[in-house]
Amino acid sequence: GAGVSQSPSNKVTEKGKDVELRCDPISGHTALYWYRQSLGQGLEFLIYFQGNSAPDKSGLPSDRFSAERTGGSVSTLTIQRTQQEDSAVYLCASSGDMDRVNEQYFGPGTRLTVT
Amino acid sequence: GESVGLHLPTLSVQEGDNSIINCAYSNSASDYFIWYKQESGKGPQFIIDIRSNMDKRQGQRVTVLLNKTVKHLSLQIAATQPGDSAVYFCAERRGGKLIFGQGTELSVKP
Repeated sequence: GAGVSQSPSNKVTEKGKDVELRCDPISGHTALYWYRQSLGQGLEFLIYFQGNSAPDKSGLPSDRFSAERTGGSVSTLTIQRTQQEDSAVYLCASSGDMDRVNEQYFGPGTRLTVT
Repeated sequence: GESVGLHLPTLSVQEGDNSIINCAYSNSASDYFIWYKQESGKGPQFIIDIRSNMDKRQGQRVTVLLNKTVKHLSLQIAATQPGDSAVYFCAERRGGKLIFGQGTELSVKP
């Protein structure tokens, strides 16, 4: 079946512009996660959504970052007034439910470059 | 802050040998520890997990060992194959989210 998809796969933007990154989770998965991965680094947790509960935003690095999940499915991560340090691969993952948080299915990521 | 880290950033092994990838953690409150594999250009892929009240769990060609006394986690890969070449991340589960370590790059020599 279809896995997690993300778009765009690559995004180059100028410093100061806003960007939107999209994630389509696996159908039926109730949990959705966003991570950031800088070159040669580990995954930095940003935010996660679980069903209808309030999202855990504890990993968002600044108020320029926000995310929403509409209808319990598609999610959009928005970065306002992008900075060069925002350049990274942004990964989205989904899992079946809270009991399956260990086994997350990742998308291929969006590579963001801020010039 | 709290983190999950790795002893070695790179590991090179001969095809057919066993590989051992190590990880140290700092938070004793985590209820699960997990290993992920990330191939170049792809998202991470779940390998195996272990509950914090266990010390060993085996999968297909992989074994995870947990030593809570020294807060150490390891992933053993038997008969390493070229397809095992990737970056391996350990992670710990805290509530509804995973906290990932920095990763070890495994390179398999033919």
